[in-house]
Amino acid sequence: EVQLVESGGGLVQPGGSLRLSCAASGFKFSDYWMHWVRQVPGKGLVWVAHIYVDGTGAAYADSVKGRFTISRDNAKNTLYLQMNSLRAEDTAVYYCARGGSGCDCWGQGTLVTVSS
Amino acid sequence: DIVMTQSPDSLAVSLGERATINCKSSQNILYSSNNNNYLAWYQHRPGQPPKLLIYWASTRQSGVPDRFSGSGSGTDFALTISSLQAEDVAVYYCQQYHSPPFTFGQGTKLEIK
Repeated sequence: EVQLVESGGGLVQPGGSLRLSCAASGFKFSDYWMHWVRQVPGKGLVWVAHIYVDGTGAAYADSVKGRFTISRDNAKNTLYLQMNSLRAEDTAVYYCARGGSGCDCWGQGTLVTVSS
Repeated sequence: DIVMTQSPDSLAVSLGERATINCKSSQNILYSSNNNNYLAWYQHRPGQPPKLLIYWASTRQSGVPDRFSGSGSGTDFALTISSLQAEDVAVYYCQQYHSPPFTFGQGTKLEIK
């Protein structure tokens, strides 16, 4: 069964850092682009970042560029999102998703709350 | 950046009736080299992760009921549910994956009338 499981969310103060992880199973992780997408509670989906299959390239939404870094470890079948200089507006549920022609598999999401 | 605009923002349809959601991109998302529109549709129910319904604008994802269909090309697209079922109540999103940032539409909330 194809599965993505996020972890690492929680409460962090403004200006702080957090690293999210996404453990993949049931498919060949190294064959797929991977994405992070977030949703502020009650609002719409917002694409955050994606990374190439081998980790050599990535792209970011303007709102997180320079603060967030996406990475992957294909040996561990794990996707990461390092989030620095966090702001209140980064509060959201963060989903990892498998890419390709659209995102065909999503994790359950992990909640990040940025508040003092 | 490509801006995706959906209409309407919300929609109420009777059970068994047709529902149509529109999505317009600010730039052409058709690649002429392969004649594919880089457009996906998702269903998002509360408390669940989003679910891919349609990709390449009109290809139904495996396991998706055939009452869901996608159409359009270039900059104008539509998702149609031919006969609304109770389990179709959700928020629906379009997304372009033509070029990053891979932007979503703002979402359309579908309810039962």
